[in-house]
Amino acid sequence: DIQMTQSPSSLSTSVGDSVTITCRASQSIITYLNWYQQKPGKAPKLLIYAASSLQSGVPSRFGGSASGTDFTLTISTLQPEDVATYYCQQSYRTPVTFGGGSKVEIK
Amino acid sequence: DVQLVQSGPEVKKPGESLRISCQVFGYRFSSFWITWVRQMPGKGLEWVGSADPDDSYSNYSPSFQGHVTMSADKSISTAYLQWSSLKASDTAMYYCARRTSSGWNDAFDIWGQGTMVSVSS
Repeated sequence: DIQMTQSPSSLSTSVGDSVTITCRASQSIITYLNWYQQKPGKAPKLLIYAASSLQSGVPSRFGGSASGTDFTLTISTLQPEDVATYYCQQSYRTPVTFGGGSKVEIK
Repeated sequence: DVQLVQSGPEVKKPGESLRISCQVFGYRFSSFWITWVRQMPGKGLEWVGSADPDDSYSNYSPSFQGHVTMSADKSISTAYLQWSSLKASDTAMYYCARRTSSGWNDAFDIWGQGTMVSVSS
């Protein structure tokens, strides 16, 4: 199975700050990488697909990038409504695998 | 409006059988695969498997193969996840999601609200 390692597992920062979450794949997955946001008590929501494409309706402060087997989700200006856990997911090979999640909180 | 509406919470005993459902609204059911994802209490997301509603072809995670069965009824635009013999370790929230493709990349763009399954003696 392809392992997806996310870091950090949690972070606490201020409104308006920039946030960066990293996901590392255990092997090449090209750009078959998606990012999801899960707010407490809610279903996940697709934010970014194919490593860097913004899903329709998602605010432009969210962005994704890729470099080899490292993938990054960036929130350019953190808003209170961005408090959530963020997951990466690879679709290069089955079984589909998710990262362990990164919990974002407001200081 | 595109929606996936899941069945309500379930409380079962070990060894019992169960089928949960995911009804699709707002798009042609047969056009997109349905994926099931498990989330155990306080934990992350795990892919259970994905199935093509059109011909019932399916892929299962090895972790779930043989323990769950995915199926679909096209006449009522509904996908199912079922167990023949539940274990306490099946206690979790189960989500269905629509699988969409961009080139070769598959993502899950529309999610149901989740069905909580509790298994306890």
